[in-house]
Amino acid sequence: AQSVTQLGSHVSVSEGALVLLRCNYSSSVPPYLFWYVQYPNQGLQLLLKYTSAATLVKGINGFEAEFKKSETSFHLTKPSAHMSDAAEYFCAVSEGKYGNKLVFGAGTILRVKS
Amino acid sequence: DAGVIQSPRHEVTEMGQEVTLRCKPISGHNSLFWYRQTMMRGLELLIYFNNNVPIDDSGMPEDRFSAKMPNASFSTLKIQPSEPRDSAVYFCASSLRASRRGDDTEAFFGQGTRLTVV
Repeated sequence: AQSVTQLGSHVSVSEGALVLLRCNYSSSVPPYLFWYVQYPNQGLQLLLKYTSAATLVKGINGFEAEFKKSETSFHLTKPSAHMSDAAEYFCAVSEGKYGNKLVFGAGTILRVKS
Repeated sequence: DAGVIQSPRHEVTEMGQEVTLRCKPISGHNSLFWYRQTMMRGLELLIYFNNNVPIDDSGMPEDRFSAKMPNASFSTLKIQPSEPRDSAVYFCASSLRASRRGDDTEAFFGQGTRLTVV
């Protein structure tokens, strides 16, 4: 079965600093990978997805992620953190007979300090 | 489109009572997912449907949980009888599963139902 591991349940950065949220996956087939963001008391919103096209994927709100097969990683980055980026971020991999069943990591809470 | 609509947003019930959570997926989507989110276990997939048919219910915790999708625009998740350990946020999500993998759209999530069983 496919799985994802998010390193660090909490990450704290200063406003304007680089954001790096780590995700490693395990998959026996070419994976489709996703990053979702969850704001307090909200549902999950898609940030970006990798579906075997370009390895560097750009998403909303200035986020991007790079698929590295050799490292089985799909880390999320943003050059300059904004206060509004404070939220919980989830990495996910798709699996299942129909390929659209998502398996989520444990999540990383991002705190942005002023 | 209004997105995935879940009701109620909050539910407080007493242990032993029946609880029914409702979901209206995005029109045209043919896949529907029920997730449960807790601090201890994170986001767990409970069950998912394709074209109203349950495909994988291996995440349903026990027989007290049941889910139905009588038509393409409505699904329910029922817990009977409810227990305090069922307290969680339950999310419904929908997506469009294309005929070829990779052409699927992403999953769109509802706002969730926060269930508290006392």
